[in-house]
Amino acid sequence: DAGITQSPRHKVTETGTPVTLRCHQTENHRYMYWYRQDPGHGLRLIHYSYGVKDTDKGEVSDGYSVSRSKTEDFLLTLESATSSQTSVYFCAISEEGDYGYTFGSGTRLTVV
Amino acid sequence: SQKIEQNSEALNIQEGKTATLTCNYTNYSPAYLQWYRQDPGRGPVFLLLIRENEKEKRKERLKVTFDTTLKQSLFHITASQPADSATYLCALLNTGFQKLVFGTGTRLLVSP
Repeated sequence: DAGITQSPRHKVTETGTPVTLRCHQTENHRYMYWYRQDPGHGLRLIHYSYGVKDTDKGEVSDGYSVSRSKTEDFLLTLESATSSQTSVYFCAISEEGDYGYTFGSGTRLTVV
Repeated sequence: SQKIEQNSEALNIQEGKTATLTCNYTNYSPAYLQWYRQDPGRGPVFLLLIRENEKEKRKERLKVTFDTTLKQSLFHITASQPADSATYLCALLNTGFQKLVFGTGTRLLVSP
């Protein structure tokens, strides 16, 4: 998707290992979000950021941490991956105000 | 509890007909509501936003209505085409918060 990229696109990791997903934007948007999408649950917010070094928890933040040291990068870390964290992870960005979100293409993470 | 409900069953319609998708919410006071389209393996794409003081919004073949009394939004695609086949998500921004909450989506299948 234009202006926002996620890496990696796919990852398989073992239970107990740390994993970091990266979201990079070129739009200079203030807000960045990490969602996970699972069948039957839809998109659920993990963490979000409203500026450099300013982050807050979403509804499913347990087991995840985030960092935003630059406007353009928002990292999601699973400190010790569990099978319940197998999911598709989407990053999104938005401007301040009544605007739609722009989503990345997603990262499919499998924890075995 | 707070809920956003979309019909989990797929909606099958014939090409040329109008597709109508429903989004109901409970225990939210949305400042606005948004609709997104999601294709398999891709991130959601923003389509339309409607504010709490607006009854209807149109964009090309798309029309969204918002009834805060019924706590419901309807999403219409007129003259539907097979290319409209996708999953459609509604999302709302609760007043005072800068985070979208998503429904689980409804899959639309348009047959030639």
